[in-house]
Amino acid sequence: AQTVTQSQPEMSVQEAETVTLSCTYDTSESDYYLFWYKQPPSRQMILVIRQEAYKQQNATENRFSVNFQKAAKSFSLKISDSQLGDAAMYFCAYMQETSGSRLTFGEGTQLTVNP
Amino acid sequence: DSGVTQTPKHLITATGQRVTLRCSPRSGDLSVYWYQQSLDQGLQFLIQYYNGEERAKGNILERFSAQQFPDLHSELNLSSLELGDSALYFCASSPRGWNTGELFFGEGSRLTVL
Repeated sequence: AQTVTQSQPEMSVQEAETVTLSCTYDTSESDYYLFWYKQPPSRQMILVIRQEAYKQQNATENRFSVNFQKAAKSFSLKISDSQLGDAAMYFCAYMQETSGSRLTFGEGTQLTVNP
Repeated sequence: DSGVTQTPKHLITATGQRVTLRCSPRSGDLSVYWYQQSLDQGLQFLIQYYNGEERAKGNILERFSAQQFPDLHSELNLSSLELGDSALYFCASSPRGWNTGELFFGEGSRLTVL
């Protein structure tokens, strides 16, 4: 079974600084997708960024970028120029390509942004 | 606003009772997913429906059941409730039944079992 591990229960960053959230996963599949979802205090889960395993290029969405290391099964999220609105719980998630959008989530990392 | 609507937002009930959680997906989305978020289990996939038919089943208890209706809204039924069923129940939708991974989540229904 696939597992997703986030080893940092909590992280904090100063406003305008950069922070990196870590995620590792375990799978025997070769075709899969990885995601970072954000859960702000409003509780609603929001997709931040997505990476296809077959793509070597790291995904980027504005201030959010990932470092995808397929051999190491590592998928970290870098948030640049952190903003107060980035404060949230961040979940790393895995999806096997044939699973029909069924996501396996990590435990989450609570990010605090200090003004 | 994701376009996914869940009701009720909060629900408090007693052990042994039965509740129904409702979800309206985004307009045009054919797939509905139910997830449970609890402190001890984290976020867990329960079940997926695609255009009215069950597509995938995860860690859903036998006391729980779901269905998707012809108008594509979905209901999650939880019966013989136990204290451990207290959790946030999310509904999510996606346009298709496969290979997207981009889910649009509702705000969840927080269930408290006393």
